[in-house]
Amino acid sequence: GENVEQHPSTLSVQEGDSAVIKCTYSDSASNYFPWYKQELGKGPQLIIDIRSNVGEKKDQRIAVTLNKTAKHFSLHITETQPEDSAVYFCAATLNQAGTALIFGKGTTLSVSS
Amino acid sequence: DSGVTQTPKHLITATGQRVTLRCSPRSGDLSVYWYQQSLDQGLQFLIQYYNGEERAKGNILERFSAQQFPDLHSELNLSSLELGDSALYFCASSVASGATGELFFGEGSRLTVL
Repeated sequence: GENVEQHPSTLSVQEGDSAVIKCTYSDSASNYFPWYKQELGKGPQLIIDIRSNVGEKKDQRIAVTLNKTAKHFSLHITETQPEDSAVYFCAATLNQAGTALIFGKGTTLSVSS
Repeated sequence: DSGVTQTPKHLITATGQRVTLRCSPRSGDLSVYWYQQSLDQGLQFLIQYYNGEERAKGNILERFSAQQFPDLHSELNLSSLELGDSALYFCASSVASGATGELFFGEGSRLTVL
């Protein structure tokens, strides 16, 4: 089955710096790669996603890149703000049918002002 | 507010007991997913239902079972509880049968087994 590895597990940056979180996946049939943000005491919420036919996608300060050959994808947050502090999860579909999402173990991002 | 409702929010019970967690998906969503979140394992996929039928199974223990009812709400039953079952259990819903679109998560049910 699919296995998703995420690094780093914790990341501390200064406000205004960039943050990068990287993930690798094992199943070459996976075709959908979302990123979720979980704030304290809440459930995860989708912030951006990318499909296998696209190499990069951007939405304001966040961007995601995908390298299907190497089976890895990354989240980039620019001009970080204190409200970006949260746990971020990458995910990949369980199989080509995409019946479920398999999540990485999460990255705790701390942005200090 | 995601529109997904989970009850109870907190539950404390003893080893060997059985509990039921309930999830009401967003209006119109046919798929329900259950995930277990523990500190060292992140979000572990347990099981998915679509319109009443089981669609995918993850690392769900035999002591755990789930079902989705005709009104589309779902229940996760955990039996013969062990200390290691203490975790946050999330339910998520989506419109389609596949997970290639946004999943909407509830706020979770925190289970503590003493």
